[in-house]
Amino acid sequence: AQKVTQAQTEISVVEKEDVTLDCVYETRDTTYYLFWYKQPPSGELVFLIRRNSFDEQNEISGRYSWNFQKSTSSFNFTITASQVVDSAVYFCALSEAGRDDKIIFGKGTRLHILP
Amino acid sequence: NAGVTQTPKFRVLKTGQSMTLLCAQDMNHEYMYWYRQDPGMGLRLIHYSVGEGTTAKGEVPDGYNVSRLKKQNFLLGLESAAPSQTSVYFCASRDGHPKDEKLFFGSGTQLSVL
Repeated sequence: AQKVTQAQTEISVVEKEDVTLDCVYETRDTTYYLFWYKQPPSGELVFLIRRNSFDEQNEISGRYSWNFQKSTSSFNFTITASQVVDSAVYFCALSEAGRDDKIIFGKGTRLHILP
Repeated sequence: NAGVTQTPKFRVLKTGQSMTLLCAQDMNHEYMYWYRQDPGMGLRLIHYSVGEGTTAKGEVPDGYNVSRLKKQNFLLGLESAAPSQTSVYFCASRDGHPKDEKLFFGSGTQLSVL
């Protein structure tokens, strides 16, 4: 069965610091998809990135970067030079390409960026 | 473009009452999902549907029923509400083709069961 673990429940950093959010996943499928979503204090869920299991290239989007390592079953998210607006709950999610069409989320990491 | 619309946005129920949450999407998506969000528990999948007339159980299906009579609508029912069902409920949809398509979420329904 698929599983997503976000071991960091809550993180606080001072503005402009870099911060990494960890995501470890479990799956039996060889083809699968990983996602990150952001939930700001307003409550909506905002898509950040998706990655399929055949693409291990790291991705950078502005201050955001993602490190996908199949060897450790991890898909970590780094925010560089954090800003107060980055304060939110961040969720990692997993979807398998097999017959099961579930999308399973981790418990989320609440990130506080302190001014 | 409305996207995914959930109704109602807020609801208070007494224990034992029933209600239906409606999710409507206008993107012609095949797949629809119901999640609940509780503090410290993240988003947990209740039920989902991969097409009109089909439904499947997620991680926490007990106490809920769903129906997908029309492609654009996915209903979540609580037959006899319990305080443990106090939560924020999110509906989501995606095309599903290819399977790495992202989810589009509704704005959520805050449900309190007293």
